[in-house]
Formats: sequence, structure tokens, C-alpha cells
Amino acid sequence: AQSVTQLGSHVSVSEGALVLLRCNYSSSVPPYLFWYVQYPNQGLQLLLKYTSAATLVKGINGFEAEFKKSETSFHLTKPSAHMSDAAEYFCAVSGGGFNKFYFGSGTKLNVKP
Amino acid sequence: GAVVSQHPSWVICKSGTSVKIECRSLDFQATTMFWYRQFPKQSLMLMATSNEGSKATYEQGVEKDKFLINHASLTLSTLTVTSAHPEDSSFYICSARDGRAYEQYFGPGTRLTVT
Repeated sequence: AQSVTQLGSHVSVSEGALVLLRCNYSSSVPPYLFWYVQYPNQGLQLLLKYTSAATLVKGINGFEAEFKKSETSFHLTKPSAHMSDAAEYFCAVSGGGFNKFYFGSGTKLNVKP
Repeated sequence: GAVVSQHPSWVICKSGTSVKIECRSLDFQATTMFWYRQFPKQSLMLMATSNEGSKATYEQGVEKDKFLINHASLTLSTLTVTSAHPEDSSFYICSARDGRAYEQYFGPGTRLTVT
């Protein structure tokens, strides 16, 4: 079975500050891990994914995430927040390939000017 | 890149009626499609897994007679919400798995409002 826990339903940062969104996973098989962003009333946009290759994954818009098996974590970071990053972010896990996705509860990122 | 479309993007229907939502993979064949539901300010919850040419597999707690899923071709899956009620109002999102590329792509979602 797979599950994802996102710590912090709301995160607020200042423009230009570091963004850190936390995701911990549980999986009975080697996981595939994903981060998606969702803007209001829109679908999901893939930011990045981990599929058992490099543990440090770089995605779009300057985001990256590091897979840490020992910590069962896949935290999302961005060195410098931009106003356009304000959105909801979902971490997801899929076990054994691109099968069912299990999503975390989401983290709403607020970026202050 | 691969594209998944959904139609309609939003729909309003009256309580007791049925509404059909289409999910199409536009430039790849999808042997498997998934249907998710997202209530306001909540996460996505998997409803069912749809395999082309076979019956859908529903997650626990999802009424298969209420949410009819048909995956008649490698590029089209449909979700029909039967006898809709206001509590069915939600954002429905599909995803499609490209079996050759081993990738999964999400549709833009359909906003259903039942009045």
C-alpha cells in the first residue's frame, strides 16, 4: 500500500525566500514520486517526478526535490519564491510504476510581496 | 507532449439527472485510465481504474452503480454520474497511462455542479 503525508496545509514565504514543501511517503514497493501544482479551478501540472533514477530531481520553474529513502521523504524546494508560485502543491506516490496515484492532502503556498 | 482532454470542462445539472464526462488521450493510446474526484479545498481521491475492454475497478466506498465507467477504446473513457445529487458536486479529473512510454498524464478536470 502507498500513502503520502504532506506536513503543513499552508505555507507562507516572502518573495525571494526559500520555498520548502514537505512530503513523506509510505510504500510497500519501490515508489515513484511526483509533485504537482494546481492553480485555482485548473487541473494538475507536473512539476517533477522521481522514477528510481537520480535522487535529486530538477523540475520546471526552478523547483527541485530530493528522494531520501532513509527518511522516506521527497521534499520540494525552490531557492527563490516568485509571486507566480502561489498555488496549491500536491505530492503523490505511485507504487510499481505509473499505476494508481495516491495524493497527499496538499499544501497551499502563499507568497508575500 | 502527450495531452489528455476532458469534456465538458464544466457542467451544471439538475438533481436526479445523469451527466457524462469524457476523457480522451489525444496523441497516445491509453490502456489504463484513472478517475479522481476532488472536493473543494481537498485532495484528489482515486475513484476507479479503467482498463480498455474490461470492467472498471472501483476503490472502496465508491458506488459502481452510481459512477458508471466505460473504457470502450484506447483513447476514450467515460464517467457517467447517474441520478446526480448536490453532494456529487465536485471536480472530476481523469488521467491516462501511456503503456509504451510508461508515463501517466492528467486531464484538465471537469467541474460538476448539481443543483
